[in-house]
Amino acid sequence: DIQMTQSPSSLAASVGDRVTITCRASQSIYRYLNWYQHKPGKAPKLLIYAASSLQSGVPSRFSGSGSGTDFTLTISSLQPEDFATYYCQQSYDTWTFGQGTKVEI
Amino acid sequence: EVQLVESGGGLVQPGGSLRLSCAASGFTFSSYDMHWVRQATGKGLEWVSAIRSAGDTYYPGSVKGRFTISRENVKSSLYLQMNSLTAGDTAVYYCARGGRLGESFDSWGQGTLVTVSS
Repeated sequence: DIQMTQSPSSLAASVGDRVTITCRASQSIYRYLNWYQHKPGKAPKLLIYAASSLQSGVPSRFSGSGSGTDFTLTISSLQPEDFATYYCQQSYDTWTFGQGTKVEI
Repeated sequence: EVQLVESGGGLVQPGGSLRLSCAASGFTFSSYDMHWVRQATGKGLEWVSAIRSAGDTYYPGSVKGRFTISRENVKSSLYLQMNSLTAGDTAVYYCARGGRLGESFDSWGQGTLVTVSS
């Protein structure tokens, strides 16, 4: 099974900050890496698919990069509505989520 | 607009069974892969099962042999039959649509809570 490890597990940031979350796969997953945002009591939301493609309707301050085993989600200027938990997910061999990164004020 | 509405959650005793349903609308259900994902309280997201548009099914080791995913295209409905439930299966269960690109999950329901307790 492919394991996904995110870092950090949580971070504190302020509005306007640049935020970077990393995700590492236990083996190469090429670019089969997706990112989701999840707020309490809400449905998770797809942000980025195939490592760097922005899902329709997602603000351009979100971006993704990487390939192979190492990936990054960047929020260029954190907005109040961005405080949430973010998950990476590999879709190369069935599907596995990372443990999540909680972005707090 | 894509809509996914889960139902069927509730309280069940350890060792018991439960069947979840997901009603889909706003898209051609038969053309899409579908998934179940769960989140235990205070934990992260865990993929639980998948069914391709062609009918092939997939499960992680944690539920294989106990859970069965199925679909009824005529009713635009997805199901999850859960047997031999344990406290570890207590979670909010979400249905999600498989995206066309990157094998991602591009639409999600609001979830239904399953509690396994005596």
